[in-house]
Amino acid sequence: RKEVEQDPGPFNVPEGATVAFNCTYSNSASQSFFWYRQDCRKEPKLLMSVYSSGNEDGRFTAQLNRASQYISLLIRDSKLSDSATYLCVVNPSGNTPLVFGKGTRLSVIA
Amino acid sequence: DAGVIQSPRHEVTEMGQEVTLRCKPISGHDYLFWYRQTMMRGLELLIYFNNNVPIDDSGMPEDRFSAKMPNASFSTLKIQPSEPRDSAVYFCASRTTGISYNEQFFGPGTRLTVL
Repeated sequence: RKEVEQDPGPFNVPEGATVAFNCTYSNSASQSFFWYRQDCRKEPKLLMSVYSSGNEDGRFTAQLNRASQYISLLIRDSKLSDSATYLCVVNPSGNTPLVFGKGTRLSVIA
Repeated sequence: DAGVIQSPRHEVTEMGQEVTLRCKPISGHDYLFWYRQTMMRGLELLIYFNNNVPIDDSGMPEDRFSAKMPNASFSTLKIQPSEPRDSAVYFCASRTTGISYNEQFFGPGTRLTVL
């Protein structure tokens, strides 16, 4: 089983739609979780951290289910500028390197 | 801060040639990571350093790949000899052990094409 698994997509959604991405991770001892965003031909950048209690940043909501080893990202009222690849990221422990999923590609269509 | 700096941004070379990729991490960051990204494999960690010391190079594909970090502000990834299957985007990233220790900052990447 891969350490971090995501549906590669692509997800093609109209502007204004709500879209959700899911991710599973294999290491139950993993300590922290993130979503990174990568635009076409650019580097990955941190979008948001994922907390056990769930957290929201504007139109973006991230949730963590430790029992199921499952992370989600919800985007409401999609914008054209949300088109990108969203990478699910896990920190196994402390100062170990982050582990990246392969990403889920989102295209928001006018 | 200028962020993580990588050079060159693009490299086209012929099979068998030596390729050297360069990285300058963010000042004050004590971790440096080299990744390779392809469509098939996604982002793969090649090697990482802590305080200029290589910690884990298990992701380096084979002996043709080597990496050094002679000081806190510079690292190189060398491929010798290069092969077409090495074609990928190579990212360097850095992070700190401070409060924001979980966020890795990536450079813009070097797009390598080996013909």
